[in-house]
This record gives sequence, structure tokens and C-alpha cells, in this order.
Amino acid sequence: GDSVTQMEGPVTLSEEAFLTINCTYTATGYPSLFWYVQYPGEGLQLLLKATKADDKGSNKGFEATYRKETTSFHLEKGSVQVSDSAVYFCALSGGNYGGSQGNLIFGKGTKLSVKP
Amino acid sequence: EAGVAQSPRYKIIEKRQSVAFWCNPISGHATLYWYQQILGQGPKLLIQFQNNGVVDDSQLPKDRFSAERLKGVDSTLKIQPAKLEDSAVYLCASSSPRGARTEAFFGQGTRLTVV
Repeated sequence: GDSVTQMEGPVTLSEEAFLTINCTYTATGYPSLFWYVQYPGEGLQLLLKATKADDKGSNKGFEATYRKETTSFHLEKGSVQVSDSAVYFCALSGGNYGGSQGNLIFGKGTKLSVKP
Repeated sequence: EAGVAQSPRYKIIEKRQSVAFWCNPISGHATLYWYQQILGQGPKLLIQFQNNGVVDDSQLPKDRFSAERLKGVDSTLKIQPAKLEDSAVYLCASSSPRGARTEAFFGQGTRLTVV
């Protein structure tokens, strides 16, 4: 079945360092891909998404490109801040009923801590 | 715009007891989801509703879990009887198949501890 594998953490970086969190997937068909973020004490929030091959999703300085040839959707940010400390989840849409994209298969999550 | 509301935020019960969680989705969202997130893992879909009909419950342990969405708005998820391995955060999410944003919006979840 469909699955998502992401880099396990925790990841600890200094402020202004470069961030990469690897994510690869296995899926039939052409899923949409997502990165969700969970800040301490808060619910899951969509960070960015890409719906087809070669699309680049971006938000808040984060970017990820949908690479069909390598079945990857790596998350990157050029300069992290303390406020980026959170758990990041890669996900793919497992079913698309009439347009909704909430039937998701998640990776295990990567905890990022950014030190000042 | 109000987000997805869930209650209670925390619940502690003994094994073999029953428990229920409530979710109120974003107004107008036809699709509602319940996810289970065990500590250290990503969320796993339990059930998906489209309006008041079930479209995917393939991962719902139906011998002890049940869910309903009467009138196509609020939803409840019930566990009876609870087991120790049911300790997790239960997340509710909603989405709309129309418009520019069709992704899922999540509530803050209910943290269940079974002792």
C-alpha cells in the first residue's frame, strides 16, 4: 500500500542554519504531497503542498519540490529561526473523494529544535 | 473563521471503560475525518465522512470503535471498551471539496490516556 518515509529526528540546528528534512513516498497513481507542522501545544497546520510532478510548494521561507522520478518531497529552508522549532510531518493524499484532500497517509514526523 | 473544535482536550479512563469524543468542523465543510496519533508516530486515518455518510472506515477497529455524524455537521467518536493501546491523541479534521483550499484543517485533538 501507499506509504511515506521521512527522516527521523530529532534534528537540532543553530539559528540561521540550512534545513533539509528528507521525505520519500510509495504510491499508486499521482498523489498530492503535503508538509504539515505541529508547533508545541498546537494542532496540525498545513505548511505547504504540491499537487503534481515538478510543482514547488512554498510558505514562510520553506520549500519542497514534488520529484516523481525520485519519489521525493524534501523540505528545505535556507535560514531557520527559533520560532521554526516544531514537529514536521510529510504526507500524501490516500484518497480524493470529490476534491477533498484530507484522506492522508503521514510519515512519523521529524522534531526540529532551533537554538539561538 | 472559527477552526475545528474538539472536546474534551484531555481524558483519563481505566481500561474496559467507554469514552466519547466530540468534533465540530469548520462551517460548510462537507468532509470530516478522525485520526489517531500514537506518541512518536504520524496520525493514522480512522474514518472519513462525506456529509453524513461514511466513505472510508477501513482502518477503524469496528469491534470497539464507532463514529457517527448525524445531520452532516458534528461528529462523535466512541471507544467501548477501551484498551491500554488506545492511549493516543484523537484528531478531528475537516475539508471542503470546493474552492481554492481543499486540504484538511485539524483541531487541537483530544489526548486519551487509558490506565
